[in-house]
Amino acid sequence: NAGVTQTPKFQVLKTGQSMTLQCAQDMNHEYMSWYRQDPGMGLRLIHYSVGAGITDQGEVPNGYNVSRSTTEDFPLRLLSAAPSQTSVYFCASKTGGQGPYNEQFFGPGTRLTVL
Amino acid sequence: SQKIEQNSEALNIQEGKTATLTCNYTNYSPAYLQWYRQDPGRGPVFLLLIRENEKEKRKERLKVTFDTTLKQSLFHITASQPADSATYLCALVVTTDSWGKLQFGAGTQVVVTP
Repeated sequence: NAGVTQTPKFQVLKTGQSMTLQCAQDMNHEYMSWYRQDPGMGLRLIHYSVGAGITDQGEVPNGYNVSRSTTEDFPLRLLSAAPSQTSVYFCASKTGGQGPYNEQFFGPGTRLTVL
Repeated sequence: SQKIEQNSEALNIQEGKTATLTCNYTNYSPAYLQWYRQDPGRGPVFLLLIRENEKEKRKERLKVTFDTTLKQSLFHITASQPADSATYLCALVVTTDSWGKLQFGAGTQVVVTP
């Protein structure tokens, strides 16, 4: 199993550009989520999904869109990039339905810089 | 306001000693707490989960305690090795639905020197 994969690993954007961060998992996990990690701050939840066609907002959703058309894929779209979105983005997945304590599996991250 | 606090200063420790990390929280009532390890340039990796009715949990050289009265978890690495050098994150399970959203602390860096 590849686990959780993310592309690209690095990206530089100019203010106002849009882009999509890709995330895929091959573990048949229902739950997928996107976090951003900034220096001195914990991982913050952007959006999450509990299954194909079901998404919801996390703690910091503004400026980001998600969709979940398949169990495997959960892309994150930046609509109009801003310097405040410079961060490292992590996708994660886990099984659900057995209780809220299941471990999350994280991807390797995408380092995004917005100029 | 809700807050999760981990020591922001790096913990420098000599090989063979025990590293102890703290995770303090306010205005949460988590039923579960998880610890993750994160190496530079990589995603976090799950280490341990402890439930509110468990005082202590062990896994190999790792030990976690969870005191809901003090609102604190302690994470111990015994007989530390240079390979234990990493950042360690605590995460509270802040919802009781079956999906269990996590709230993360900022992490504490551990540096183990030979």
